[in-house]
Amino acid sequence: AQSVTQLDSQVPVFEEAPVELRCNYSSSVSVYLFWYVQYPNQGLQLLLKYLSGSTLVKGINGFEAEFNKSQTSFHLRKPSVHISDTAEYFCAVSDRGNDMRFGAGTRLTVKP
Amino acid sequence: DVKVTQSSRYLVKRTGEKVFLECVQDMDHENMFWYRQDPGLGLRLIYFSYDVKMKEKGDIPEGYSVSREKKERFSLILESASTNQTSMYLCASSPDTSSYEQYFGPGTRLTVT
Repeated sequence: AQSVTQLDSQVPVFEEAPVELRCNYSSSVSVYLFWYVQYPNQGLQLLLKYLSGSTLVKGINGFEAEFNKSQTSFHLRKPSVHISDTAEYFCAVSDRGNDMRFGAGTRLTVKP
Repeated sequence: DVKVTQSSRYLVKRTGEKVFLECVQDMDHENMFWYRQDPGLGLRLIYFSYDVKMKEKGDIPEGYSVSREKKERFSLILESASTNQTSMYLCASSPDTSSYEQYFGPGTRLTVT
């Protein structure tokens, strides 16, 4: 069975600093990987996804993630964060269309 | 743009009440999902539906039922609400089983007192 571990429950960072949110997954088959963002009092919005091809995936709002099969990781990065990036971020894995598993979430707080 | 709407943003109900949460999507998607979101637990799947009148249990179906009479609408029912069902409920949809991306509604924060 597939599962996702987000290694940090909270990440505080200063504005304009780089950030990495870590995600590890386990699955016995080929996987598809996602990062979603949830702003306060809103639903989830897709940031980026890896289905196949290049292991470096670029998403919206300047975020990118790298799929590392040998380390079963899919870490999310941004070189310079803004106050508006403050939100909760969820990593998710799916090995078939109807079965998506989410991590527990990482709360990113960007401080001025 | 895909739009998924949920009938209420905030809901307060009493223990034992029957509660209906409604979700509507406007993109003719085949699949619809209900999740609950709790701090530290992420999202957990309650039920999903891959067609009208079809449903499958997710990881935590106990205490919940669902209804999908029309393609665009997926309802979550709490037959007899309990305090441990206080949570954020998120609805999502996806085009079909070959599409791995899910589109989410804004969520309903349910409080059971």
